[in-house]
Order: sequence, then C-alpha cells, then structure tokens
Amino acid sequence: EAEVAQSPRYKITEKSQAVAFWCDPISGHATLYWYRQILGQGPELLVQFQDESVVDDSQLPKDRFSAERLKGVDSTLKIQPAELGDSAMYLCASSLPLASTDTQYFGPGTRLTVL
Amino acid sequence: SQQGEEDPQALSIQEGENATMNCSYKTSINNLQWYRQNSGRGLVHLILIRSNEREKHSGRLRVTLDTSKKSSSLLITASRAADTASYFCATVRSNDYKLSFGAGTTVTVRA
Repeated sequence: EAEVAQSPRYKITEKSQAVAFWCDPISGHATLYWYRQILGQGPELLVQFQDESVVDDSQLPKDRFSAERLKGVDSTLKIQPAELGDSAMYLCASSLPLASTDTQYFGPGTRLTVL
Repeated sequence: SQQGEEDPQALSIQEGENATMNCSYKTSINNLQWYRQNSGRGLVHLILIRSNEREKHSGRLRVTLDTSKKSSSLLITASRAADTASYFCATVRSNDYKLSFGAGTTVTVRA
C-alpha cells in the first residue's frame, strides 16, 4: 500500500539554527498538507498545497517558516531560525485532488527538538 | 484553533471490554472523521461519517453522529492490546472545508 514518506524521522537542533523537513506524498495526490502537533494536542494545519500552489497558509508563522512544492510533487518545510517553542511533531499528509473533504493520509512525522 | 473536543481525555480498560469516547464540535460540518495515532507515529484514518449519516460501522468500530447536538461517539468493541493509542476526532467545516482536530483521547488497553 502506498504511503506518505517523511524525513528525517527525528531532528535535534539548537535554537537559531535552520532546519528542513521533506515530504513525498502518495503518487497522484495533488493536495498536500503540513501540520504541527504539540505534545498532548491534536495536529494543527500550517500550510496546504494544491499541486504547486499554496491554497492556505494562514496559520504558518511566515517570519520564520517557509514551505515549497516546486514541481507539485514532494515538498519541503523550513524553519529559520528555530525557536524553543518549535519543538513538536511535524506531520505531512496528502489527499486526492477532488476529495479535499475526505480522507487524508499521514506520513510518520518528523519529531523536532529545539535545545 | 481546534474545533473538536474529545471526552474523556484518557481511558483505561481491560482487554475484551468496550471503549467509548465522545467528540463535541462547535460549527456546522460537512463530515467528521476519526483517526488513531500510536505513540510517536503518524495518524491513521479509521472512519468517516458524513453530516447526513447517523451511524456507521467498520469492523469493531461503530461511530454515531448527532448533528443537532454537534456530537459524535466512537465505540471500539472487544478491545485488544493493539488498540492502545490516541484517538482523534476531526471535523471538516461546512464553511471552509478545513479539517480541524480535537486534542484526542488516550486509550490504554490492559492485558
């Protein structure tokens, strides 16, 4: 069964450093999402792509976070500079292009620890 | 902001017992979904119920939806140790079709 791939699985960094996370969605899924999940809470949407275009980045802290999906396939989420409060699980998900109200398929996540 | 709120926050049951958790939400929805998350892992989609449906089954899972009370319940029957996980309800809002998660219920199944 096809899966969403994410790397790295774990990342430890010091504050003020730059970090980047990578996501490869299920083949054929035009919609891609990045979520942040703080320990003990549910995921919160950071950014949503439809193909290579951003359709929602209202919750993305744009002063330090950026996301791109240049060819409409895989995506990168970057944080620069990282802050202590950025420690969280970063989850990538994808869904079929015309079913944004339906099932999202999640990757295993990247656990970020900022020291 | 999170729209759904699960109750209880944590649940501990014996293997073989049933587990029930509830979800309440605030605004009109297109559908409601339940996801499972094993410790430190990604989320796995369990079941989706649309706003015009009242009950749905999938294996040992039963989901109900009461749109008049803005609430849903997830029942896991004959629980197993492998059901130990956090369970999240997520709603797709009617006005913007965004998926919004609750804080989750942590279920522990004791052998």
